[in-house]
Amino acid sequence: EVQLVESGGGLVQPGGSLRLSCAASGFTFSSYAFHWVRQAPGKGLEYVSAISYNGGTTYYANSVKGRFTISRDNSKNTLYLQMGSLRADDMAVYYCARSPCGGDCYQDFWGQGTLVTVSS
Amino acid sequence: QLVLTQSPSASASLGASVKLTCSLSSGHSSYTIAWHQQQPDKGPRYLMKLNSDGSHSKGDGIPDRFSGSSSGAERYLTISSLQSDDEADYYCQTWGTGIHVVFGGGTKLTVL
Repeated sequence: EVQLVESGGGLVQPGGSLRLSCAASGFTFSSYAFHWVRQAPGKGLEYVSAISYNGGTTYYANSVKGRFTISRDNSKNTLYLQMGSLRADDMAVYYCARSPCGGDCYQDFWGQGTLVTVSS
Repeated sequence: QLVLTQSPSASASLGASVKLTCSLSSGHSSYTIAWHQQQPDKGPRYLMKLNSDGSHSKGDGIPDRFSGSSSGAERYLTISSLQSDDEADYYCQTWGTGIHVVFGGGTKLTVL
């Protein structure tokens, strides 16, 4: 069974940092690109970042460029999102999603999300 | 600029059919899109990839009640024999080199 399980969300102060993880199972992790997509409370889906199957290429939305870093460990079947200089408008549920065709592509499986709250 | 436009809401009766629309911005009528469903308090679920010619490939386990079609810059998701758990938000999404990934604003479907 394909599974993506996000973790690492929580309450963080403005300006703080947080690292999200996404543990994958049930498929060959290293064959897929991955995306992070977020959803602010009551809002729609927003693309955040993506990484190619081998980690060689990364993509970022303008809103997070320079503050967030996406990475992956294919030996641990895990995707990461290091978030820094967090702002109130970064508060959202963060989803990891698998992509069968690269960073500039669609998602064919999603996790359940992890909530990031930015507040003092 | 590539923009996807969706109506904010739609409604249809239990057992009926509904057709949701995703409109591609001018100059982007050839783009392939994907449809995703998000039930309340759940993560999104991939439904299908839909090409400009109307051909589509569905995700694993997506019932035949869900189908896609295209006309010009419009992409459609039709759900037939509506069930109560079809009540959800439906998002279209596209992508491209340099564009990365773009989502529509979503349509909230109410099953009456």
